[in-house]
Amino acid sequence: DIQMTQSPSSVSASIGDRVTITCRASQGVSSWLVWYQQKAGKAPNLLIYDVSSLQSGVPSRFSGSGSGTDFTLTISSLQPEDSATYYCQQLNSFPYTFGQGTKLEIK
Amino acid sequence: QVQLQESGPGLVKPSETLSLTCTVSGGSIGSYYWSWIRQAPGKGLEWIGYISYSGSTSYNPALKSRVTISLDTSKNQFSLSLRSVTAADTAMYYCAREGYNSGNAFDIWGQGTMVAVSS
Repeated sequence: DIQMTQSPSSVSASIGDRVTITCRASQGVSSWLVWYQQKAGKAPNLLIYDVSSLQSGVPSRFSGSGSGTDFTLTISSLQPEDSATYYCQQLNSFPYTFGQGTKLEIK
Repeated sequence: QVQLQESGPGLVKPSETLSLTCTVSGGSIGSYYWSWIRQAPGKGLEWIGYISYSGSTSYNPALKSRVTISLDTSKNQFSLSLRSVTAADTAMYYCAREGYNSGNAFDIWGQGTMVAVSS
């Protein structure tokens, strides 16, 4: 199985801050890397697919980058509604695997 | 727009079979791949497996010996069966669609259904 490791596990930031979350795969996943946002008590919501493609309806302050084994989710200017847990996922090989999550709190 | 809704018992006894159904509304179940994902309380996400519109399946090896996912196109539903459950199978269970226009990511999710395993 491909192991996905996110860092940090939690982060606290202020409104307007730039926030970066990292995801590292135990082996290359090509471009099969996606990001989800999960708010408390809700199902995950797709933010980014194919490393850097923004899902329809997702604010442009979210962006993704990376290649091979190292990937990044960036929120350019943090908003109150961004408080959530963020997960990366690889779709390169079975079983599909997720990172352990990064909990983002607003200061 | 397409919506997914999970249904099934919220409580299952140890050693019994967990059975859930996901109903697809607002669109056809055909031409897509459909997955089950679970999340234990306070934990991360675990992919259980998928079924394609043609009925082909892929399962997580960690659960493969106990899992069956099936499709009922006439009812626009797909189902999860997890045998010989233990307390470790207590989780929120989600169904989701792999979106062709979203790099095969899970672009639509059900709201989830909580299943507790307890006697």
